[in-house]
Amino acid sequence: DARVTQTPRHKVTEMGQEVTMRCQPILGHNTVFWYRQTMMQGLELLAYFRNRAPLDDSGMPKDRFSAEMPDATLATLKIQPSEPRDSAVYFCASGFEAWGSYEQYFGPGTRLTVT
Amino acid sequence: AQSVAQPEDQVNVAEGNPLTVKCTYSVSGNPYLFWYVQYPNRGLQFLLKYITGDNLVKGSYGFEAEFNKSQTSFHLKKPSALVSDSALYFCAVRDVDSNYQLIWGAGTKLIIKP
Repeated sequence: DARVTQTPRHKVTEMGQEVTMRCQPILGHNTVFWYRQTMMQGLELLAYFRNRAPLDDSGMPKDRFSAEMPDATLATLKIQPSEPRDSAVYFCASGFEAWGSYEQYFGPGTRLTVT
Repeated sequence: AQSVAQPEDQVNVAEGNPLTVKCTYSVSGNPYLFWYVQYPNRGLQFLLKYITGDNLVKGSYGFEAEFNKSQTSFHLKKPSALVSDSALYFCAVRDVDSNYQLIWGAGTKLIIKP
């Protein structure tokens, strides 16, 4: 049963610290999405990769967030420096983009708390 | 502007009764529509999609959804609700401008009472 995995599942950190979240997409998928979920804003798209190339990061605060895919099995989302307002659940999702096949498969999320 | 609306924040249904979770959309062109479910402390799970073809789409866990072009709706249904169906349900439509983003509804909390 192929699944998207994310680490860590929970992270508590102090304001100003660097946070790195990792995602392993489903083998064979060619798209990766990073989302942030909060009660107030719902689901927000932060970044989108296709074939490891970043195609859209317009949803990310550029001064502190960065997303990369160093290889096909790893996507990372970094926050430096972190702020309390970054507290949220961060989801990674992957998919295989072809006509008729646009669904995304989500990981379990990383719950980030910045104090 | 493209959008998805889930008019009900919460739906309460007795176990064994049929359930409907509503979704309406506004897009230019042909819509690609999706339903996802989120259980507590879990990621979203894909339930079903409409791309083209039969207006009644069957998905996971006994759910189905009916695409209605004239009413621009894509309501999620199940003939007999289970307590385990209690979760947060999201409707989404593919953004025709970006061709990859999903535009998400705000979510509907479904509560099934024994």
